Amino acid sequence: DAGVIQSPRHEVTEMGQEVTLRCKPISGHNSLFWYRQTMMRGLELLIYFNNNVPIDDSGMPEDRFSAKMPNASFSTLKIQPSEPRDSAVYFCASSFRQLNSPLHFGNGTRLTVT
Amino acid sequence: GESVGLHLPTLSVQEGDNSIINCAYSNSASDYFIWYKQESGKGPQFIIDIRSNMDKRQGQRVTVLLNKTVKHLSLQIAATQPGDSAVYFCAEKRKDSSYKLIFGSGTRLLVRP
Repeated sequence: DAGVIQSPRHEVTEMGQEVTLRCKPISGHNSLFWYRQTMMRGLELLIYFNNNVPIDDSGMPEDRFSAKMPNASFSTLKIQPSEPRDSAVYFCASSFRQLNSPLHFGNGTRLTVT
Repeated sequence: GESVGLHLPTLSVQEGDNSIINCAYSNSASDYFIWYKQESGKGPQFIIDIRSNMDKRQGQRVTVLLNKTVKHLSLQIAATQPGDSAVYFCAEKRKDSSYKLIFGSGTRLLVRP
């Protein structure tokens, strides 16, 4: 079991640039989540997909953020244009779509926007 | 990994001792609880979960206790090892959601050799 795979591990970019974060969920999992973690706000749910369909995007901060899941094995989170306050660690997690199933997290992408 | 909050509660224990990490959850309607461990530079790692119809659940060296009366969750780690040093998060899921986890602010566990 390779676990949830995220890339890149680190991303440093300048304000105004586009950033794309990538995620490969665990094979067979049909639910995918993007979280953001900061010192001040902890872990925040950004968006939830079930069977590749976005179900809840209420946590997406602004229109600058968008996420896609073109197939069961790949998802992207895009920030355009990026701002310094977007600096955080972004985690992808996946699970089986069943009641009370734990999330399995990737190791995150640390984003720094200067 | 990121610490949650500028002043993360810290528990320091001697190697070999038992550790107890506590969590107060917010909603009496929550029906599912999970403990996660997060090591530096890594994502949260699932440790153990418990449903609201249970009071206790045991895993390998870990036990989770649920007290619904006072909305309290605890994680007990037996014979704490240096590899247990990490930030521990509790998470709750409310009955009105099939997927949304609410994470606590975390506790840092430091194991003294």
